Amino acid sequence: SAVISQKPSRDICQRGTSLTIQCQVDSQVTMMFWYRQQPGQSLTLIATANQGSEATYESGFVIDKFPISRPNLTFSTLTVSNMSPEDSSIYLCSVQSEAFFGQGTRLTVV
Amino acid sequence: GENVEQHPSTLSVQEGDSAVIKCTYSDSASNYFPWYKQELGKRPQLIIDIRSNVGEKKDQRIAVTLNKTAKHFSLHITETQPEDSAVYFCAAKNSGNTPLVFGKGTRLSVIA
Repeated sequence: SAVISQKPSRDICQRGTSLTIQCQVDSQVTMMFWYRQQPGQSLTLIATANQGSEATYESGFVIDKFPISRPNLTFSTLTVSNMSPEDSSIYLCSVQSEAFFGQGTRLTVV
Repeated sequence: GENVEQHPSTLSVQEGDSAVIKCTYSDSASNYFPWYKQELGKRPQLIIDIRSNVGEKKDQRIAVTLNKTAKHFSLHITETQPEDSAVYFCAAKNSGNTPLVFGKGTRLSVIA
């Protein structure tokens, strides 16, 4: 199974700023997935990141707010832009095999 | 697209009793059904999964059953222990490069 490294593990950010979350996989994968888990809620897919093309966003998520990069087959970043307290969540990346997640990034916006 | 319903949202059982969590899905093409356990402050951890070519899978005190005709699958935990207390999520997907769709979760409390 793939080993997924995600960082930072947590951060506290000021509203209006941006945070970039990194996800590194130890093997080449076609698809990477970014999820959000709001407090007390389930996991919701933000977008699918396919190397060499623009990410595909789910309803309710837009590129301007959550830009994603996928420069190669082992790495992706998710940026949470112009943050507000409502963005406080756990953000998780996963790969196409999908059984496993990165460690998650616990984001608190103050 | 796929829609996964999970019940109950909360479940309390006495230590030693069994716990059952049920999920239904809508997409008949789904063929992979994992279950995750999430403890407070941690990421979801895969505890068991089942594919559509089998009807049941067991791993020690944990088992999952799948009924493809009815499009539902269930998690069974026997001889529950306090350390089983957590939030459990079911999920479903079909083959290929499609993402998992999650149920809303069940908060299980095992009372000693």
